[in-house]
Amino acid sequence: EIVMTQSPATLSVSPGERATLSCRASQSVSSSLAWYQQKPGQAPRLLIYGASTRATGIPARFSGSGSGTEFTLTISSLQPEDFAVYYCQQYNNWPPITFGQGTRLEIK
Amino acid sequence: QVQLVESGGGLVKPGGSLRLSCAASGFTFSDYYMSWIRQAPGKGLEWVSYLSYSSSYIKYADSVKGRFTISRDNAKNSLYLQMDSLRAEDTAVYYCTRLVNGYYFDYWGQGTLVTVSS
Repeated sequence: EIVMTQSPATLSVSPGERATLSCRASQSVSSSLAWYQQKPGQAPRLLIYGASTRATGIPARFSGSGSGTEFTLTISSLQPEDFAVYYCQQYNNWPPITFGQGTRLEIK
Repeated sequence: QVQLVESGGGLVKPGGSLRLSCAASGFTFSDYYMSWIRQAPGKGLEWVSYLSYSSSYIKYADSVKGRFTISRDNAKNSLYLQMDSLRAEDTAVYYCTRLVNGYYFDYWGQGTLVTVSS
């Protein structure tokens, strides 16, 4: 089973600033990585797939990068609606499909 | 637009059973793998099970293997999860999700809460 580790657990950033979230895989997943955003009381929403491709309707301020075992989600200029929990998910080697434990992005 | 609507959650005693349903609309249901994902209160996401277009390919997480059964009815655009021998640790919100190419989840339902408690 591939273990996904996200860091930091909590990230405090001011609105308008850049946020950088990390995700590490226990073995290579190539570019088979997705990112999701989850707001309180809501279902997760797909942001990025293929490590760097934005899903339909996702603003350009969200970008993904990386391959192999190291991945990054960058939010270039934080908007109030971006404060949420973010999860990464690998789909290179499954089952099982595995998620990271999440990074909570909070307002500083 | 794509909609996934779960139902069937509730309170059940340990050892009991529950059947979740998911009604899909807005897309050709039989063209997609479908999956269940759960989230325990205050915790992260855990994949539970998925099945292929015609149910010929089915997989389960080890934590539910032998207790849960996933199925679908393409004529009714519906996905199901039969949950037997339920345990306290199965308490979670269960999400019905659509898989793109069997890889990642592009649409999620609003979730249905399952609580296993005596």
